[in-house]
Amino acid sequence: AQSVSQHNHHVILSEAASLELGCNYSYGGTVNLFWYVQYPGQHLQLLLKYFSGDPLVKGIKGFEAEFIKSKFSFNLRKPSVQWSDTAEYFCAVNAHNQGGKLIFGQGTELSVKP
Amino acid sequence: ETGVTQSPTHLIKTRGQQVTLRCSSQSGHNTVSWYQQALGQGPQFIFQYYREEENGRGNFPPRFSGLQFPNYSSELNVNALELDDSALYLCASSGKGTAMLNTEAFFGQGTRLTVV
Repeated sequence: AQSVSQHNHHVILSEAASLELGCNYSYGGTVNLFWYVQYPGQHLQLLLKYFSGDPLVKGIKGFEAEFIKSKFSFNLRKPSVQWSDTAEYFCAVNAHNQGGKLIFGQGTELSVKP
Repeated sequence: ETGVTQSPTHLIKTRGQQVTLRCSSQSGHNTVSWYQQALGQGPQFIFQYYREEENGRGNFPPRFSGLQFPNYSSELNVNALELDDSALYLCASSGKGTAMLNTEAFFGQGTRLTVV
C-alpha cells in the first residue's frame, strides 16, 4: 500500500533558525507531491507543489522543497523561520492512476519560539 | 480563502445517530473529495465525486456515503455514528476529474464532529 512518512512529529526551533522537514513516500510511478500547512483554526493551505520539471520548487512564504526521485523524498526547507510559521505541516502525494486521492503523512507540528 | 465552504463548522452527535455534512466547491470545480482527519493525524481519503458519480473510495465502511449535486456541491452522510467517527471532516475541490494529476485541491475549513 502507498504511504507517506514524515520523519518528525514535533519540531521546536528558535526564530531565524533553518528548517528542514523530511518526507518520504512509497510509490514507484508518476507522482505529484505537495506540502500543505495548517495554521491553528484555519484550513489546509498549499505551500508548494511538484508536478514535473525542476525538482527544486519554491512556494509561498519563503518555503522550498526538493524532489529526489531516487530517494522517494520531498523535503521541505526554509532558511530562516519566523514565529508566524508555527503550524502543522503535511506532506501529500497524488499517485498516477490512483483515482486522484491525496495520501497524507501524519504531519509535523512546528513550534517557533520568538 | 479557498472558495470552498463547509457547514456546519461544529457538530455534536450521539452514538448511533446519523449526520450530514455539506460542502460547496470552488466556482468552476467539478470534483469534490472528502477526508477524515483524526486528532494528531493526517487527513485520510474517504471518497471522491466527479460529475455526480463516486470516483474512488478509501478504506471506509459503507455507512459513510455521499452525494454530489448538479451544481457540484456535495454531502457526506455518516450513519450509525461511532465514537471513533469523532474527527475533523475536510472537503476539497479541484478542477479536474478522474486522474486529477497536475492539479491541486483546495480545502475548506472543515466540520469538527464530536460523537458522544
